Amino acid sequence: NAGVTQTPKFRILKIGQSMTLQCTQDMNHNYMYWYRQDPGMGLKLIYYSVGAGITDKGEVPNGYNVSRSTTEDFPLRLELAAPSQTSVYFCASSYSSSSREQYFGPGTRLTVT
Amino acid sequence: SQKIEQNSEALNIQEGKTATLTCNYTNYSPAYLQWYRQDPGRGPVFLLLIRENEKEKRKERLKVTFDTTLKQSLFHITASQPADSATYLCALGKETGANNLFFGTGTRLTVIP
Repeated sequence: NAGVTQTPKFRILKIGQSMTLQCTQDMNHNYMYWYRQDPGMGLKLIYYSVGAGITDKGEVPNGYNVSRSTTEDFPLRLELAAPSQTSVYFCASSYSSSSREQYFGPGTRLTVT
Repeated sequence: SQKIEQNSEALNIQEGKTATLTCNYTNYSPAYLQWYRQDPGRGPVFLLLIRENEKEKRKERLKVTFDTTLKQSLFHITASQPADSATYLCALGKETGANNLFFGTGTRLTVIP
């Protein structure tokens, strides 16, 4: 099992550009999440999904969109990138059971200039 | 809104000693608390989960306590080793919903040989 994979690892965007961060998991997890991690700020939940076709907002959804057409994939879309979106983005997944632990991908480091 | 504080941004200890990390929270009643380890440039890795009705949990050299009256969790690493050097994150969650977690800002632990 590869676990949770994310692409790209690094990306530099210009203000106003758009991009999609890819996330795939091969553990057949129902639940998937997108977080951003800023220095000294901890992980903040952007969006989450409880299954294919179902998504919902987390703490900091503004400026982002998601979709979940399959169990495996949960892409995060940035429209009109802004410097405030410079961050490290992590995708995670978990079982829909009492185990509750989340499995994280390696992250995407995004810089918007 | 909920607030989670890990009251040491950085902690240095000598190899072989016990490291104790603290996680305090306010404005929240979690059903469980998790601890994760994060190495530089990588995603968090799950270590332990403790539920609100449990006082203590152990796993090898790790021990976690959870005091819902004090709204505090303590995370201990006994017989610490340089390989334990990492950032440790606490995260709170409820049994309902999609396993959404609220993360603390983390404590960077350095074990000095």
